[in-house]
Amino acid sequence: EAGVTQFPSHSVIEKGQTVTLRCDPISGHDNLYWYRRVMGKEIKFLLHFVKESKQDESGMPNNRFLAERTGGTYSTLKVQPAELEDSGVYFCASSPSPYDETQYFGPGTRLLVL
Amino acid sequence: DQQVKQNSPSLSVQEGRISILNCDYTNSMFDYFLWYKKYPAEGPTFLISISSIKDKNEDGRFTVFLNKSAKHLSLHIVPSQPGDSAVYFCAASAGYQLIWGAGTKLIIKP
Repeated sequence: EAGVTQFPSHSVIEKGQTVTLRCDPISGHDNLYWYRRVMGKEIKFLLHFVKESKQDESGMPNNRFLAERTGGTYSTLKVQPAELEDSGVYFCASSPSPYDETQYFGPGTRLLVL
Repeated sequence: DQQVKQNSPSLSVQEGRISILNCDYTNSMFDYFLWYKKYPAEGPTFLISISSIKDKNEDGRFTVFLNKSAKHLSLHIVPSQPGDSAVYFCAASAGYQLIWGAGTKLIIKP
């Protein structure tokens, strides 16, 4: 069974540009989560999808971040326009049930904004 | 305000000895605690968990202890092996959202 995949693995962009990160969850997992880790600090929750619906987006930093999950399959996280402080590793995770505390993580996308 | 704290950024342990990683939390509403292990350039992988109704959970070489009165949990690895070298994250759950610590880098010395 394929795990959670994320694309791209790395992205280097200039301040003001747009970047779109993609996450493909484990097949059949209705729950999809986005997290971010900045500069070796703690991993922080961004948002949670149940199928195509945003269940909780309380962790989204500001309106420059837009997450979508059309059709309830893969998800995209767009940052527009990117700022220096957006640099970090963006992890996606999925789980079959919101009550399954074991979330399966992708390898992350390393974003560097110059 | 950091609700889950791992105060040791790194820990070095001799191969074969016990590794003890610590985690403190502030929110008494947390009902489930997890440890994740992370290798460089990979996402975190689930290691072991414990419900707040228990004080110990064991899985092979890994044991997690929970002290609710002290709001403290620890992960014991016995015996430590070279492949255990990684960053270990403590996470707490109150529902579906995981609150994470900053991680402890464990280095197993030969």
